[in-house]
Amino acid sequence: DIVMTQSPDSLAVSLGERATINCKSSQSVLYSSNNKNYLAWYQQKPGQPPKLLIYWASTRESGVPDRFSGSGSGTDFSLTISSLQAEDVAVYYCQQYYSTPLSFGGGTKVEIK
Amino acid sequence: EMQLVESGGGLVQPGGSLRLSCAASGFTFSSYDMHWVRQATGKGLEWVSAIGSAGDTYYPGSVKGRFTISRENAKNSLYLQMDSLRAGDTAVYYCARGGGGYCGSTSCSQTFDYWGQGTLVTVSS
Repeated sequence: DIVMTQSPDSLAVSLGERATINCKSSQSVLYSSNNKNYLAWYQQKPGQPPKLLIYWASTRESGVPDRFSGSGSGTDFSLTISSLQAEDVAVYYCQQYYSTPLSFGGGTKVEIK
Repeated sequence: EMQLVESGGGLVQPGGSLRLSCAASGFTFSSYDMHWVRQATGKGLEWVSAIGSAGDTYYPGSVKGRFTISRENAKNSLYLQMDSLRAGDTAVYYCARGGGGYCGSTSCSQTFDYWGQGTLVTVSS
């Protein structure tokens, strides 16, 4: 099974500043036949279900602001919020979909400093 | 508008059973793979099961043999039959639509592009 590890557990960032969340997989999630990383990012606000932000490690879901970006390959990935807005306060999860069982990171809580 | 609405949650004793339902609307349900994902209070997300559009089913080891996922395309409905419930199964259970990726013969490798609001299952005596 693939284990996903996120860091940090939480971070506080000033409005307008950059926030970066890291995600590491216990084995590569890069599928060589199509050169795609099977890695997604979700945002979960209090009392709401998760929302898909990014898939294939760096492709934004329709309607997601361009201040959200994903990067990385193989086993190491990052989600960056380029200029934190108040509405971005949430818990963020990475997920691998390279193989079943599908698995998530433990989550990173983003707050305003 | 796309919608997923879960129901059937509640309080059940350890060893008991419960059947969750998810009513889908706003998309061609029969064409999509579907999933259940759960979240214990204050905890992270755990994938629970999947069913492909053709009916193949997938489970993690933690629920295999105890949970059964099924679908009824004529009713645009997804189900999760949960037997031999344990305290560790206490969580909000979300119904989610399969997004990027695919479900094949041996694995179901997908994102979750739409989620319901969830239904709470509490296993306690």
